[in-house]
Amino acid sequence: AQSVTQPDIHITVSEGASLELRCNYSYGATPYLFWYVQSPGQGLQLLLKYFSGDTLVQGIKGFEAEFKRSQSSFNLRKPSVHWSDAAEYFCAVGARKAAGNKLTFGGGTRVLVKP
Amino acid sequence: EAQVTQNPRYLITVTGKKLTVTCSQNMNHEYMSWYRQDPGLGLRQIYYSMNVEVTDKGDVPEGYKVSRKEKRNFPLILESPSPNQTSLYFCAAGTDYGYTFGSGTRLTVV
Repeated sequence: AQSVTQPDIHITVSEGASLELRCNYSYGATPYLFWYVQSPGQGLQLLLKYFSGDTLVQGIKGFEAEFKRSQSSFNLRKPSVHWSDAAEYFCAVGARKAAGNKLTFGGGTRVLVKP
Repeated sequence: EAQVTQNPRYLITVTGKKLTVTCSQNMNHEYMSWYRQDPGLGLRQIYYSMNVEVTDKGDVPEGYKVSRKEKRNFPLILESPSPNQTSLYFCAAGTDYGYTFGSGTRLTVV
């Protein structure tokens, strides 16, 4: 069964500092991996996704993520955080054509940005 | 604009009173899903549909029903809501390459 772990429940970062959010997954084959962001009171917005190829994936809002098969990880990074990046971030693994491409989500990491 | 529309955004109801949350998509995607979001648990799949008239249970289907009579619509039905169904619900439409989510429906059952 697929699963996703986000070890950090909360992260506080200063504006302008770098940010890295950790994600570890369990999946029996090559995974489809996603990062979504949820701003307060909003739905989920797709930041980036990985299916195959280059293991460093660029997304929207200046985010990038790196797929490391040996570590079963898909960590999200941003070099310089803006106050508007305060939100909750979810990593997810997709089921690849099964169960309607079911997404299994991690528990989320809430990011607080200090001025 | 590609979007998934859920209604209502907020709903307070009483135990046992049947309700329906509507979901509509304008992207002609085959896959649609319902998720519920609870603190610390992330999002969990309730039901999904891979095409018209094709639906199946996700991880937490108890107490819910769905239907997919048309490609664009995928309503979530709670026949007899209970307080443990108080949650934030998301509808999503997508393909093998990802999903677009609606804005969510916050349901409170008292």
